[in-house]
Amino acid sequence: AQSVTQPDIHITVSEGASLELRCNYSYGATPYLFWYVQSPGQGLQLLLKYFSGDTLVQGIKGFEAEFKRSQSSFNLRKPSVHWSDAAEYFCAVGAAKEYGNKLVFGAGTILRVKS
Amino acid sequence: ETGVTQTPRHLVMGMTNKKSLKCEQHLGHNAMYWYKQSAKKPLELMFVYNFKEQTENNSVPSRFSPECPNSSHLFLHLHTLQPEDSALYLCASSHPNSYNEQFFGPGTRLTVL
Repeated sequence: AQSVTQPDIHITVSEGASLELRCNYSYGATPYLFWYVQSPGQGLQLLLKYFSGDTLVQGIKGFEAEFKRSQSSFNLRKPSVHWSDAAEYFCAVGAAKEYGNKLVFGAGTILRVKS
Repeated sequence: ETGVTQTPRHLVMGMTNKKSLKCEQHLGHNAMYWYKQSAKKPLELMFVYNFKEQTENNSVPSRFSPECPNSSHLFLHLHTLQPEDSALYLCASSHPNSYNEQFFGPGTRLTVL
């Protein structure tokens, strides 16, 4: 079965510092990978996605992620964090039709930004 | 603006009440989803509809009853809920050929007293 692991429940970084959020997946075929962000009391907003091609993908708000098949990872990065980036971040893998045609989410990582 | 709207945004109800949550998508998608998000728990997929047909029910208690009258609208009818059902209920939609890229609504914050 598909699964997504986000090893870090909470991460705190200083404003202006770089950020990396980890995501590992388990999936038996070519994965479709996503990162979503959720501000308190809000829905999930898509940051970026990987379907195929270039393994380094750019997203909104200055975020990028790199797909590494050999490590089954899809880590999210940002070179300089802003206070407004404080939120919860979810990694997800999209399962193909034969696996239920749905998204499987990680448990999320809460990002705190200190000034 | 995500293209997926949910009403109401907040709902407080007693355990004997009957209420409904509404979701509407303006994206031309054919798949719609209900998720439950409780504090300190992972996002839980509840129901999936594809072309108005329910294709997944993740062992959700019968006090939650979904309805999908057309591809743009999704309802979640609630009755005799329990306090542990208090959560953020999220609706999402996707296009069948989009590798499951889902677009989420803002959610309904439900409190059961």
